[in-house]
Amino acid sequence: AQSVTQLGSHVSVSEGALVLLRCNYSSSVPPYLFWYVQYPNQGLQLLLKYTSAATLVKGINGFEAEFKKSETSFHLTKPSAHMSDAAEYFCAVLKAAGNKLTFGGGTRVLVKP
Amino acid sequence: DTEVTQTPKHLVMGMTNKKSLKCEQHMGHRAMYWYKQKAKKPPELMFVYSYEKLSINESVPSRFSPECPNSSLLNLHLHALQPEDSALYLCASSQPTGGRVNTEAFFGQGTRLTVV
Repeated sequence: AQSVTQLGSHVSVSEGALVLLRCNYSSSVPPYLFWYVQYPNQGLQLLLKYTSAATLVKGINGFEAEFKKSETSFHLTKPSAHMSDAAEYFCAVLKAAGNKLTFGGGTRVLVKP
Repeated sequence: DTEVTQTPKHLVMGMTNKKSLKCEQHMGHRAMYWYKQKAKKPPELMFVYSYEKLSINESVPSRFSPECPNSSLLNLHLHALQPEDSALYLCASSQPTGGRVNTEAFFGQGTRLTVV
């Protein structure tokens, strides 16, 4: 079964510092992977997606993620955190058969001034 | 238009009430989803409709009844809910996978449901 695991339920960074959110997947075939962001009392917004076209994927708001098959990872990074990046971030994997999108446990990002 | 619209935004209902949540999209997507999200948890899949047919039911209790009247609309009918059903209910849409790669799901803002 395809699933994703996010390491760290909370991450605290200083404004201007690197943001690194970890996601590992388990899949027997190349997966479709996504990162979503959720602000308080909001729906989910797509940050970026991996669909095998390129291993380094650039998304919105300065975020990017690198797909590493050898490590079964799809970590999300942003070089310089902004106060507006404080939110919950979810890694997700899509099971093609049945259109089933499954989420990791989420990582809450706190940005300190 | 990349918007999924959910109504109402907030709903308070008693355990004997019948209510419905509504979701609409005009992106031409043929897969639509209902997710349930409890506080500080990830969204959990409830139902998937593909080409207006129910394709996945994640063993959801029968007090939740989905309906897809056409390719743009998705409803979730609620009856005899329990307080533990209080949560944020999210609707999403996408193109069905079927080998396609452009399959990201677009989410609505959710309906905050409170069962009293």
